[in-house]
Amino acid sequence: DQQVKQNSPSLSVQEGRISILNCDYTNSMFDYFLWYKKYPAEGPTFLISISSIKDKNEDGRFTVFLNKSAKHLSLHIVPSQPGDSAVYFCASGGTGANSKLTFGKGITLSVRP
Amino acid sequence: GAGVSQSPSNKVTEKGKDVELRCDPISGHTALYWYRQRLGQGLEFLIYFQGNSAPDKSGLPSDRFSAERTGESVSTLTIQRTQQEDSAVYLCASTHSNQPQHFGDGTRLSIL
Repeated sequence: DQQVKQNSPSLSVQEGRISILNCDYTNSMFDYFLWYKKYPAEGPTFLISISSIKDKNEDGRFTVFLNKSAKHLSLHIVPSQPGDSAVYFCASGGTGANSKLTFGKGITLSVRP
Repeated sequence: GAGVSQSPSNKVTEKGKDVELRCDPISGHTALYWYRQRLGQGLEFLIYFQGNSAPDKSGLPSDRFSAERTGESVSTLTIQRTQQEDSAVYLCASTHSNQPQHFGDGTRLSIL
């Protein structure tokens, strides 16, 4: 039973355009959401997070949107750069400090020069 | 270095052998997690340590898997009598307070 779903396995965008990566979750107890970026042979690197009390969090070129009623979040990258090409994982955690994370399967983003 | 360190980076072993994977968390991080990633899948939670105690072991797939942490620092994940389905990348993460988890580069385990 997948509690975090990233239904598109891959996305290809042109450099300079917007990349939109989607994620759906089923567990209504989740209240903390993160995006991690992963290059081959490296561990995931934290990118951006959002708590359930917000619907948007922005950090430079990266913005995460949360729609709690739809149990949906998305990561927007604008403008996309070739160095953004990586696997992006959506992850969700419950209440309380040090909550374990539940991850989606990831989406491979390719940004074409 | 200042990051989470895992060793070995790669391990190839025969089915039935025991393996031990090591994680050195970021200094001062009280919480430590083990996850594994099978091919084409997301990360699966295995076990969580707060200090040297493991309040959540719910992700360990069988009694062949065990983990310990000493000195509120280094952790080892042991897999006994390895099976081919144990082949995966085993990732360790650490954190403190309510900060995001920081991951090591993982140990790629291959069971022949």
